[in-house]
Amino acid sequence: ETGVTQSPTHLIKTRGQQVTLRCSSQSGHNTVSWYQQALGQGPQFIFQYYREEENGRGNFPPRFSGLQFPNYSSELNVNALELDDSALYLCASSFRTSVLGETQYFGPGTRLLVL
Amino acid sequence: DQQVKQNSPSLSVQEGRISILNCDYTNSMFDYFLWYKKYPAEGPTFLISISSIKDKNEDGRFTVFLNKSAKHLSLHIVPSQPGDSAVYFCAASVYIWASNYQLIWGAGTKLIIKP
Repeated sequence: ETGVTQSPTHLIKTRGQQVTLRCSSQSGHNTVSWYQQALGQGPQFIFQYYREEENGRGNFPPRFSGLQFPNYSSELNVNALELDDSALYLCASSFRTSVLGETQYFGPGTRLLVL
Repeated sequence: DQQVKQNSPSLSVQEGRISILNCDYTNSMFDYFLWYKKYPAEGPTFLISISSIKDKNEDGRFTVFLNKSAKHLSLHIVPSQPGDSAVYFCAASVYIWASNYQLIWGAGTKLIIKP
């Protein structure tokens, strides 16, 4: 069973640029969630994708967008980067069921630095 | 407005003793809680969860207790081992819509196990 993988591991961009982060779900999982974790804080929910559609969004502006592909892998795109976007970006996959509370499994994250 | 609070930024425990990590929440609609462990440069690793219909769940050295009336949960690790040194996050699952659940995270507690 393959776990959640993310690429790249580290990235440096300048303000105003655009970035694409990638995530491969754990085998058998159909749902991907993206989180932003600033230093010293818990992860903040960005959005979730289920069956290639956005299925819930946190308090992030529209310049944060995403995609989910038929193989359940996903991308997070951030346009017009700001200094405050510097953070660890975490991808989590899970299997959507009708049971309350699904457990999410995380990748190692992508560390983004915006200069 | 923090809905999930971990009030202790760090905790130091002697190897072999019990580690108790605490978490408080404010939203009575939360019905599923999870604990994750995070090492530096890695994504969070799922440890243990508990549904609101239970007050205790055990898995090996890890036990989670839930006190719904106090809106409080705790993670007990017995006995504590050096490999347990990590940041521990408490997360609550909240229903958004159409079977979509979002995780709300605490800020984390850094556990240090002293030899």
